[in-house]
This record gives sequence, C-alpha cells and structure tokens, in this order.
Amino acid sequence: GENVEQHPSTLSVQEGDSAVIKCTYSDSASNYFPWYKQELGKRPQLIIDIRSNVGEKKDQRIAVTLNKTAKHFSLHITETQPEDSAVYFCAASKSGNEKLTFGTGTRLTIIP
Amino acid sequence: DAEITQSPRHKITETGRQVTLACHQTWNHNNMFWYRQDLGHGLRLIHYSYGVQDTNKGEVSDGYSVSRSNTEDLPLTLESAASSQTSVYFCASSESRSGELFFGEGSRLTVL
Repeated sequence: GENVEQHPSTLSVQEGDSAVIKCTYSDSASNYFPWYKQELGKRPQLIIDIRSNVGEKKDQRIAVTLNKTAKHFSLHITETQPEDSAVYFCAASKSGNEKLTFGTGTRLTIIP
Repeated sequence: DAEITQSPRHKITETGRQVTLACHQTWNHNNMFWYRQDLGHGLRLIHYSYGVQDTNKGEVSDGYSVSRSNTEDLPLTLESAASSQTSVYFCASSESRSGELFFGEGSRLTVL
C-alpha cells in the first residue's frame, strides 16, 4: 500500500519567516495530495490540496508544490503568523479511491 | 448547518470492556472513516465505509469493528479494550471520491 513520509516532525520558525514541510510518497499511482491543519485540541481541517495534473497551487500565504517524478510534495507558508502554529499533515490517495494515507505530522511553532 | 459529531468526547474504561464510539453526520455523505491519532504515528485508518452495508478494514483494524446500517452513522466498537487502544479517535466523512474529509471533534479514549 501507499506509504507517506513527512519531514520534519517539528519546526520552529520566527514570525514573518517562511516554513516548508516536505512529504514523499511511494505509490506512483497516487494523484491527490491534500494538506490538513490541526490546531491544538481541534479537529484536522483541509487547508489546501493539489492534484497530479498541477505542479503548484497557491492560496494567499500557502502554496503546495508537487514533483511527480521524484514523488514528493511540499507545503510552503510565507510570512508566518502566530495562528499558523499547529500540526500539519500531508496525505496521498489515488483518484477513485477516497482512502487517504497520512504522513506522521509536523508540529509547526511560530516564535513571536 | 450540516455537521459530524462524535460521542462520547472522553471515556475511561478498563481492559477487557467493550466500548462503542458513536459517529453521526448530517452531510448525507456516503463515505465515512475512523482514524486513530497517536503521537509519532499521525492519523491511521481503522475502518471505512463507502455506503450502507459496506465496511472495509484499514491499516490498524485488529480489535475494532464497525457497522453501517444507515447513511448517517458509523459506530466504532472495541470488542475487548486493550491499553494499546488508548488514543484519540477521529471520525470523518467525505462527499466525493478523493474529496475533502470532514472530521468530527474527536473522542479521547483511555483504557486502564
């Protein structure tokens, strides 16, 4: 089955700087890659996703890039703010199959 | 507003007891999932269902069972609780294939 690895497990960034979280996946047939954000004590929520026909997608300060050849994708957060502090999960799945495989998560801390 | 709710939110039980965690969604989604969240492991899929009377095992299904008698509910049963099943459990649903997962608020289970 699919295996998703996520790095780093923890990341501390000065407020205003950028943060990058990276994930690799094993199944070349995977073509849907969402990112979920989980604030402390809350439920995970989708923040951005990308499909394999797209190399990059942006939504304000958040962007995701995908390299299908290398089987990795990354989350980029620019101009970080205190409210960006959370655990971020990447995931992967195949089209027609909703079963997502999640990475192990990255705890991002924004230092004021 | 449509939502997905879990109950109980917190439960403490003893080893060997049967425990049922309820999940109820009003999105009218066909697809429902149970995940467990543990530090260092991220979100791991326990069981999932693509519709009424359909159930499937996920990557960590041993010791758990689910049933889907209607669209709205997917209860998760621990037949004989073990300390290794102490975790936070999240139910989720989705409308479409490889679409956004909507998570419940989570149920924290402690097995003593």
